[in-house]
Amino acid sequence: DADVTQTPRNRITKTGKRIMLECSQTKGHDRMYWYRQDPGLGLRLIYYSFDVKDINKGEISDGYSVSRQAQAKFSLSLESAIPNQTALYFCATSDLVSDSWANVLTFGAGSRLTVL
Amino acid sequence: AQSVAQPEDQVNVAEGNPLTVKCTYSVSGNPYLFWYVQYPNRGLQFLLKYITGDNLVKGSYGFEAEFNKSQTSFHLKKPSALVSDSALYFCAVRDNTNAGKSTFGDGTTLTVKP
Repeated sequence: DADVTQTPRNRITKTGKRIMLECSQTKGHDRMYWYRQDPGLGLRLIYYSFDVKDINKGEISDGYSVSRQAQAKFSLSLESAIPNQTALYFCATSDLVSDSWANVLTFGAGSRLTVL
Repeated sequence: AQSVAQPEDQVNVAEGNPLTVKCTYSVSGNPYLFWYVQYPNRGLQFLLKYITGDNLVKGSYGFEAEFNKSQTSFHLKKPSALVSDSALYFCAVRDNTNAGKSTFGDGTTLTVKP
């Protein structure tokens, strides 16, 4: 089984619908992240969480919300999806180590969302 | 603010030839630099990182990267490219004033032709 599992892998929805993308991890990492990937734009950070009680906005959080249900679970919600939220979404985790700046990100396989 | 630039959208090399994928960065503190690779329909995978020490860093699959502080660069290299190296490569930077957040470049598509 994958260390970081994202569901669903693919989803097509309509404008205005509520969508939840889920992420679970078995690495025991404290930190979890949601990124969005658009062609030619690299990865942009939506939200991140350093532990269950710590949620932070990233650079493009508008239109998104998150929930850290447990150390191993971090879900991303689009309350009312719009077409420009069509993208590939990645969940990632990292460990809190003594040198926290050296944290390597472990990524899930991605969730491709299409909003019509 | 921190930023990363990957000046080439596409790099094409012949199998067996050396390859270089370029990355320059901007940070306000000490840079922590990473390279990740993304294969089709997969998530990103870590290749290598520079934190401190030797400017030449060796990573997975025969890749290495050279940190150049004066040129603020961290170019990814491999002496002999394989067709299987064809993928999308991302450079990322984190500094010690921006806790826990990495900034990624736009990515460079590497194509290795037989």
